[in-house]
Order: sequence, then structure tokens, then C-alpha cells
Amino acid sequence: QVQLQESGPGLVKPSGTLSLTCTVSGDSISSNKWWTWVRQPPAKGLEWIGEIYPSGTTNYNPSLKSRVTISMDKSKNQFSLKLSFVTAADTAMYYCTRRRDGHSYFEYWGQGTLVTVSS
Amino acid sequence: QSVLTQPPSVSAAPGQRVTISCSGSSSNIGNNYVSWYQQLPGTAPKLLIYDNNKRPSGIPDRFSGSKSGTSATLGITGLQTGDEADYYCGTWESSLSAGGVFGGGTKLTVL
Repeated sequence: QVQLQESGPGLVKPSGTLSLTCTVSGDSISSNKWWTWVRQPPAKGLEWIGEIYPSGTTNYNPSLKSRVTISMDKSKNQFSLKLSFVTAADTAMYYCTRRRDGHSYFEYWGQGTLVTVSS
Repeated sequence: QSVLTQPPSVSAAPGQRVTISCSGSSSNIGNNYVSWYQQLPGTAPKLLIYDNNKRPSGIPDRFSGSKSGTSATLGITGLQTGDEADYYCGTWESSLSAGGVFGGGTKLTVL
């Protein structure tokens, strides 16, 4: 049973950096999957943030690319998200999820973690 | 503004059938598979349909998907009150802005 669990601060100050970690169980992040972050602002739709492959290759949403970094720690079976220079518009539920290589769907999702940007 | 266009809301009575549309372009739906997600209140999205019309294990056959050209449709038959949720379509964008894209979501109300 594949499970993903997000963790990190629930409150970030404006202009600061949002940092989240996703811990994966039931699968190895070294396997042929794309490990992905998706966010959802309150009462709004889903937004793809970006993803990382075991080789270290990353893909980012062009609208966020200048502020996003996704990395992985294979020894801990975790991958992480950093979003810099945050504003209130970055307040959202952040989900980690998994996409099989060569496919476009997201099979397993974490429960999500709410990050609020406020002073 | 979402890349894929869905109606904001649909409604139907229990036992009835409802369809939810998802419209895109040749650079996304037109050249890639479509997936659908169900998001019950206060929970994470759940994969409902993948590769246009396939159901993951455990998803009842009341849920179906189809795709034609640059549009896709989710169908739900035998509506139940437990189907009240937000539904999102998703696919891949193959243009210079490559990446995952979603519709704005459709709120299903079972009257």
C-alpha cells in the first residue's frame, strides 16, 4: 500500500520560504516514478507545481519556476518542496503525489498540508 | 484561470445519470490521456479515471470516462448522495509550458 505524508510548517511569513517534505512508504522514490507537488488554494482548483525523477531531473510549472526547488533524499525515501518569496497568494493546501513515468495521471496522494502565508 | 474548462456545477437526483465535460486544446487533451479525480469535502483528490476511460481497482463501473478530440467527459450513473463532491479533469500540457494541467473543478450536487 503506497502512502505519502506531507510535513512542514503551517505558517510562513510573507517574503519567506515555504519548505515541505513528503515521506513515502510502500514504494521507493528510486523507482521509475515522478514525485510531484500539487497545491490547492482555499475554495479553488488544483495547480501542478512540479516534479522530480530519481535521476534528479525536475520539471516545474512555468509560472512558479523562478521560485520553486524540488529535491529528494533517497536515504530517507523523501522528497521536498521549497517555494521562495511567498505571498498571500501562495496560501494553499499542498499535496504530494506520484505519477508513473510515461503516464499523465496521479495515482496516490498525500492527505495534504495547509500552509498559510501571513505575518 | 485553469487551462482546462469545466462547468462550475452540475446537479441531478439520486439514481439519475450526470455528465461532466472538460474542454482543452490540441496541446493538452488533444494529444494526451485524460484523468479524472473525485475530491470529497475536506479530503485529498482521489483518482477516478485514468487513460481516458480506465478505472483503478475499487472504482465502481458507475463511473466512466470518454474522450473525443480536445474534449473529455466523465459520466456517473445511479447517482448516490455519497457522490456529492468536486470533480477535476487533468492531463498533460505538451507545449512550451509543459507540465500537468487541471480543470477548474465541477461541484456535483445530488438533489
